Order: sequence, then C-alpha cells, then structure tokens
Amino acid sequence: QKEVEQDPGPLSVPEGAIVSLNCTYSNSAFQYFMWYRQYSRKGPELLMYTYSSGNKEDGRFTAQVDKSSKYISLFIRDSQPSDSATYLCAMMGDYGQNFVFGPGTRLSVLP
Amino acid sequence: GAGVSQSPSNKVTEKGKDVELRCDPISGHTALYWYRQSLGQGLEFLIYFQGNSAPDKSGLPSDRFSAERTGGSVSTLTIQRTQQEDSAVYLCASRFLPGAGIRDTEAFFGQGTRLTVV
Repeated sequence: QKEVEQDPGPLSVPEGAIVSLNCTYSNSAFQYFMWYRQYSRKGPELLMYTYSSGNKEDGRFTAQVDKSSKYISLFIRDSQPSDSATYLCAMMGDYGQNFVFGPGTRLSVLP
Repeated sequence: GAGVSQSPSNKVTEKGKDVELRCDPISGHTALYWYRQSLGQGLEFLIYFQGNSAPDKSGLPSDRFSAERTGGSVSTLTIQRTQQEDSAVYLCASRFLPGAGIRDTEAFFGQGTRLTVV
C-alpha cells in the first residue's frame, strides 16, 4: 500500500461545477497537509495547506482534513477553465523534513 | 533570482551517457530537494539537502544517481550510464527553514528538466 493514494483521473467537469479532489493516507504521524497545483510543463506551486484536522477556505478553494479517517479533500467552487491542472496532495509530519506526495489528479474544466 | 532555476530545461541523451542537471535555489533557502516525476506519476523523492547536514539520499534509485550541493547553494544531480527508464522530469525545490511552521517552509519548485534517454 502506498503511503498516499490519490485518484489520478483524468477528471473533466463543465465550467461552474463544484470539484472534489481527495487523498487517503496511511501514516498517522502526518500533521501538515498541502495541496499543490501543477500546470502543464511547470513546477508545482503551493495552493493551500492545513495543519492537523479541520477546514480552511481561501476564495473558491476549501481544504478539509479528517485525521480520524486519514482522508483529505480539496473543493473548488465555481470551477474555471484556468483551474485545469494537475492537483497533488502532499503531507509531512511535525518534525519531518520531507514531503510525501500523492500521484496527482489531472483536472480539466471545460468552457 | 526570484525563483528556483533549473537547467537545462530539456535534455536528450543517448543511453549509456552521463548527464548533469543543475538547480539554483532561491537565495537564502537552506533546504533543497530533488524529485523525479514520470508521466502520470507523482513526485518521487530522490535526495534532500539541509544546511551543512549530511544529505538524505534514501530516495536515490541506484548508485548511478548522485547529487551534490556546493556552498549551500547550487546543486547538481548526476546520472551516470543513463537508461531509458531514467526518462522523466527532474524537479528541484527549495525551502527557507524546515520545521519552523509551514508558513515558513513552503517548497518552491523550479520548472524542471525534462530528460529523454534514447
């Protein structure tokens, strides 16, 4: 079993749809949970992060962490074609130096 | 520079040749990472440098892979006797101060070097 699992997609949605992206993990020591967005032929860039459990909202994006289920989600409201990218979840422990990345979900938002 | 710079952006090499990939991290960032990303795959950790500490080489897939970081800044990833399975995008990332709270530890990625072994 991989440490972090993520549905690779591809996921295609119409413009304006609500998108739900998810990751599951097995290491209960993870405390930092991040979502990176990667456009084609670019490096990943940090979109959102949360510490421990709970929700965090930033504009059209909401990140949720459920540590009891070892499950994290990223919701995108009113999706736009510019949201088309690969979304990677990443995790790290409290004293960890290193990130563990999921394989990424490729999202296409169709105009 | 303003961000992490990697060179070359693309590299085509013949099987069996050695290649060197370069990473210029953001000035002042103490941590530097190398990852490999194959088509449709996530980021595979290769190696991590932090200050003057011994690097974490636990992700290097074979002894054909090595990396160094000179003067706590520029890093070079070397692949010897390249194989076709080495074809991938090699990404470098840097962080300011790991462990100080995530706001200070965001990893900034370069655009990667796309390596093709023919």
